[in-house]
Amino acid sequence: GAGVSQSPSNKVTEKGKDVELRCDPISGHTALYWYRQSLGQGLEFLIYFQGNSAPDKSGLPSDRFSAERTGGSVSTLTIQRTQQEDSAVYLCASSFDSNQPQHFGDGTRLSIL
Amino acid sequence: DQQVKQNSPSLSVQEGRISILNCDYTNSMFDYFLWYKKYPAEGPTFLISISSIKDKNEDGRFTVFLNKSAKHLSLHIVPSQPGDSAVYFCAASERTQKLVFGQGTRLTINP
Repeated sequence: GAGVSQSPSNKVTEKGKDVELRCDPISGHTALYWYRQSLGQGLEFLIYFQGNSAPDKSGLPSDRFSAERTGGSVSTLTIQRTQQEDSAVYLCASSFDSNQPQHFGDGTRLSIL
Repeated sequence: DQQVKQNSPSLSVQEGRISILNCDYTNSMFDYFLWYKKYPAEGPTFLISISSIKDKNEDGRFTVFLNKSAKHLSLHIVPSQPGDSAVYFCAASERTQKLVFGQGTRLTINP
């Protein structure tokens, strides 16, 4: 498709398990972002990739969270040893470059039991 | 400390009238502002943006106004249509492209 694609759309897992969330950005977009939206909250920045530059990880809430972007395209957000407070919708966005609007995928709804 | 605030959690407007959504920010370094619309179970959809060098940007029924001295921006939708019913988020950045979002305003357009 033409938009940002995220998988899975829903993920339910037990506390303590690791999870991987995937994002396929719009083709040709060099910038990729991860955000999360907890219940009743606004969107919270997590991490930003721009081309081959070092990512901006300033929004990652703990060292249990990590992300990588392979080949300048697909990105994976990994949460290790999940906790109940990790339950949220995780949204990925991409933009043509850092001066263009970000376009979002539909998110992964993560539920930690 | 919330740098971007949308003080109205909800707004109800009659179809055909003007909808005005408001947003305030505290960080004077913000120089790029955007509005997104969000339907349930979907990601935010980009609507319109404005750079700090402008005070108005218009795109069809949507107009964004920026008052830098007041650190305030607003989104005007005219005329409002039933399909405009959604949650609207304002967002701001310092050109680092790390967007800071408000809490959102739920707009309901009544027939």
